[in-house]
Amino acid sequence: DVKVTQSSRYLVKRTGEKVFLECVQDMDHENMFWYRQDPGLGLRLIYFSYDVKMKEKGDIPEGYSVSREKKERFSLILESASTNQTSMYLCASSHRQGLQSGNTIYFGEGSWLTVV
Amino acid sequence: GEDVEQSLFLSVREGDSSVINCTYTDSSSTYLYWYKQEPGAGLQLLTYIFSNMDMKQDQRLTVLLNKKDKHLSLRIADTQTGDSAIYFCAESSGGYQKVTFGTGTKLQVIP
Repeated sequence: DVKVTQSSRYLVKRTGEKVFLECVQDMDHENMFWYRQDPGLGLRLIYFSYDVKMKEKGDIPEGYSVSREKKERFSLILESASTNQTSMYLCASSHRQGLQSGNTIYFGEGSWLTVV
Repeated sequence: GEDVEQSLFLSVREGDSSVINCTYTDSSSTYLYWYKQEPGAGLQLLTYIFSNMDMKQDQRLTVLLNKKDKHLSLRIADTQTGDSAIYFCAESSGGYQKVTFGTGTKLQVIP
């Protein structure tokens, strides 16, 4: 069974703290993604990575950075958390061949982050 | 950039059909998807359709694509309470792995 695991389901952090959200996939996927989900806004892409040590900005990268030191692990970093970063964060992965027949994006369960 | 729009909420009675609509702006979209998100969970792929198709049926699910109007719909026949979830429409240009998601439609099924 395919698996994308987000280590923290619920976090509460203070404004200004550095926050790490960890994601691990066991499917040997080349591509990994971080989205945030907000009511009425759907999913917005923060960063994605096509390979180890590679990263690309998504639609809303401001205030975030990422790290991909190993193929199976993709970390989202909030250098200095702010209240407007309170959200649900979803990690996802997919094969390099892309979203063709039989391929899809696999999602983790999500991490609920509250910044107070 | 690409944009995908959906209505935010739909309420139906158990046993009725549900129709969730979506419009998109990217004329180069090659693949269109429907994902389901149950409470407290990530997204799971329900079905997808290639842009050269008009319709795809999979058990209780029927996807209709009007490429001219850039309109996609998902019909769920004999809707059950277990179908209550948020449904996301998404599109991709295929060779590139980026997927653009809609805002999600929350389906409420009334017993």
